[in-house]
Amino acid sequence: EADIYQTPRYLVIGTGKKITLECSQTMGHDKMYWYQQDPGMELHLIHYSYGVNSTEKGDLSSESTVSRIRTEHFPLTLESARPSHTSQYLCASSRLYEQYFGPGTRLTVT
Amino acid sequence: AQTVTQSQPEMSVQEAETVTLSCTYDTSESDYYLFWYKQPPSRQMILVIRQEAYKQQNATENRFSVNFQKAAKSFSLKISDSQLGDAAMYFCAYARVSGSARQLTFGSGTQLTVLP
Repeated sequence: EADIYQTPRYLVIGTGKKITLECSQTMGHDKMYWYQQDPGMELHLIHYSYGVNSTEKGDLSSESTVSRIRTEHFPLTLESARPSHTSQYLCASSRLYEQYFGPGTRLTVT
Repeated sequence: AQTVTQSQPEMSVQEAETVTLSCTYDTSESDYYLFWYKQPPSRQMILVIRQEAYKQQNATENRFSVNFQKAAKSFSLKISDSQLGDAAMYFCAYARVSGSARQLTFGSGTQLTVLP
């Protein structure tokens, strides 16, 4: 069944560590997105990609980076985690206009 | 730039009753898509319903329907026969059709509580 996956679902990590949040989709969608969801539940677009080797920064400034080497894979990396990075991270993909979301990664940086 | 406003941070409804969630948006585009997404507690965000702006007929998906008023730039979601499983955060979202951008602009969400 076509779907979108995120791992890990929960991560607690110390300050200064490098982390990579994984996102994969099996729907063959060209477009993929990363959102940060704050405790007030608002969604902020931090990165997006229109296809392989295409990545753009979103509306919210983020210290994270992304890569898109394969259509199905869109990992997000934090080189040095800080407590301010504590948040829920949602990955999404789309073919046309509606986006399909993964289950999210809840990141806590201590 | 497009904006989406959900003026009701929280709503509650009695089980089996009907509730309407409000959404207004601002755009200079004539063609676009509108969506309602549902995010249950600690669960995945799922698409509830979509509306294409050039279609005058209001979209309906089972117990969920919209009231799309293009001139007023209003896009409300009606949930009929509310069930406990409808309790969630609901997000209204807008997508442009023109240009290459396909980002969604989300509202701030409405937390719906269903009372037994």
